[in-house]
Amino acid sequence: DQQVKQNSPSLSVQEGRISILNCDYTNSMFDYFLWYKKYPAEGPTFLISISSIKDKNEDGRFTVFLNKSAKHLSLHIVPSQPGDSAVYFCASTYYGGSQGNLIFGKGTKLSVKP
Amino acid sequence: DTGVSQNPRHKITKRGQNVTFRCDPISEHNRLYWYRQTLGQGPEFLTYFQNEAQLEKSRLLSDRFSAERPKGSFSTLEIQRTEQGDSAMYLCASSRTGNQPQHFGDGTRLSIL
Repeated sequence: DQQVKQNSPSLSVQEGRISILNCDYTNSMFDYFLWYKKYPAEGPTFLISISSIKDKNEDGRFTVFLNKSAKHLSLHIVPSQPGDSAVYFCASTYYGGSQGNLIFGKGTKLSVKP
Repeated sequence: DTGVSQNPRHKITKRGQNVTFRCDPISEHNRLYWYRQTLGQGPEFLTYFQNEAQLEKSRLLSDRFSAERPKGSFSTLEIQRTEQGDSAMYLCASSRTGNQPQHFGDGTRLSIL
């Protein structure tokens, strides 16, 4: 039973355009959401996070949107660059209990073409 | 911050052997987590420590697996009597507290012959 779902295994975008990566979750107890980027042969790198008390968080070219009623979040990358090509993982957790173990989706492979 | 360090990067062993991995977290990070990742999947939680105390274990952590963090600094993950299904990337992460983002090491890839 997957609690965090990334339904698009891959996404291809032209350099300079917007990349939109989507994530759905089923557990209404989740209150903190994170995006990680992973290059081959490296561990996941933290990108950006959002608390359930917010609906948007920005950091440079990266913006995460949270729609709690739909249990959906998305990561927008604008403008996309070839160096953004990687696998992106969505992760969720319940921080209210201070547990912190992350539940990950299966990832979306982003390819940004020059 | 020097980052989370994991050793070895790659371990090849025969089925039935025991293996041990080491993780050195970012200094002053109280939380340390172990995850396992197989091909085409996201990382799956195994266990975590708050300082030296092991606070939670996933049902994925069978009795062949044991983790320690003896002085609240580095941690070891041991797998006894390895099986083919143990082949995976084992990832370690640390965070300052339970409410901070986790930072991952580059993992140890275990291959069972």
